[in-house]
Amino acid sequence: ETGVTQSPTHLIKTRGQQVTLRCSSQSGHNTVSWYQQALGQGPQFIFQYYREEENGRGNFPPRFSGLQFPNYSSELNVNALELDDSALYLCASSQRQGEGGYTFGSGTRLTVV
Amino acid sequence: DQQVKQNSPSLSVQEGRISILNCDYTNSMFDYFLWYKKYPAEGPTFLISISSIKDKNEDGRFTVFLNKSAKHLSLHIVPSQPGDSAVYFCAASGGGSARQLTFGSGTQLTVLP
Repeated sequence: ETGVTQSPTHLIKTRGQQVTLRCSSQSGHNTVSWYQQALGQGPQFIFQYYREEENGRGNFPPRFSGLQFPNYSSELNVNALELDDSALYLCASSQRQGEGGYTFGSGTRLTVV
Repeated sequence: DQQVKQNSPSLSVQEGRISILNCDYTNSMFDYFLWYKKYPAEGPTFLISISSIKDKNEDGRFTVFLNKSAKHLSLHIVPSQPGDSAVYFCAASGGGSARQLTFGSGTQLTVLP
């Protein structure tokens, strides 16, 4: 059983640029959630995807968007990067609505300069 | 507005003694609570959970207690081991349609040999 894999592991972008982060869900999981973890804080919910549709969203602006593919993998896109977007971005897969628990990937460390 | 709070950023405990990590929440809609453990450069890993219909759940050295009237939960680790040194996050779900996790800011536990 493969776990959740995220790519890339580290990324440096310039303010104003766009970035795409990728996540492969754990085998048997059909739901993907994305979280942002700023330094010294707990992860904050960005949004969740189920059956290729957004299934819930946290308090993040529209420049944060996502996709889920038929194989349940997912992308997080952030446009017009700001310095405050620098954080660890975590992907978590699960059955619908977290049934059976969430499995987290190791994250992508994004630095915006 | 932090709905889940961990007021102790750090805790040091001697090996073999009990570690007690605390967490408070404000949202009455939360009905499921979880503890995650996180090592540097890794994603959070699930430790133990408790439903709001229970007041205690035990798994080996780990016990979680829930006091609904006080909106407080705690994680007890007995006996503590050096390998338990990590950041511990309290999380809650039930406050959103996606049943997403709302995390506290974490407590760094250091177990001294």
